[in-house]
Amino acid sequence: TQLLEQSPQFLSIQEGENLTVYCNSSSVFSSLQWYRQEPGEGPVLLVTVVTGGEVKKLKRLTFQFGDARKDSSLHITAAQPGDTGLYLCAGVIAGGTSYGKLTFGQGTILTVHP
Amino acid sequence: EAQVTQNPRYLITVTGKKLTVTCSQNMNHEYMSWYRQDPGLGLRQIYYSMNVEVTDKGDVPEGYKVSRKEKRNFPLILESPSPNQTSLYFCASQTSGPYNEQFFGPGTRLTVL
Repeated sequence: TQLLEQSPQFLSIQEGENLTVYCNSSSVFSSLQWYRQEPGEGPVLLVTVVTGGEVKKLKRLTFQFGDARKDSSLHITAAQPGDTGLYLCAGVIAGGTSYGKLTFGQGTILTVHP
Repeated sequence: EAQVTQNPRYLITVTGKKLTVTCSQNMNHEYMSWYRQDPGLGLRQIYYSMNVEVTDKGDVPEGYKVSRKEKRNFPLILESPSPNQTSLYFCASQTSGPYNEQFFGPGTRLTVL
């Protein structure tokens, strides 16, 4: 059973379209992060959210943490080919291990066609 | 520049031949982890370390060993590699709470024949 369910697993869109990736769980998270990974490289942190209902923006990317801290979404406006990559959500379960073990979703492979 | 380095980046070896993948971070983080990434299975934690001389098993520790003799280094050891350990491996260091942000190395692609 996957603690963090990401959807969709694959997303293929045209340049200029908008998209949303979802990350859902039945567990409450004390913090949740989004990473982007390009082929042949390690994941790179995009954002961390810690407060229920929190919204953060990073240029064309908007990240939201659910009010109950069980879910999150990543919205990309006017996608560009440079947005292509694997997007991962990861979180620290509230009340879990003392050192803050990250639980990862399965990832969403995004392809943006010119 | 703050970074996590891993070596080697690519390795092809044969079953049973001991190997070590090195990992080093320059951010003075206490927490470090090793992950393997496989298609359809995502990132799975192999081992983690909360500080020097403090290590513990992650979700898939079988066939692996680690050590943490210095804060900056966290090598991954495969005493007797097998083909099912063919994978992409990532080392990561992590900030302390509440953000618990991970910084990943560039990865090591290991093939065991």
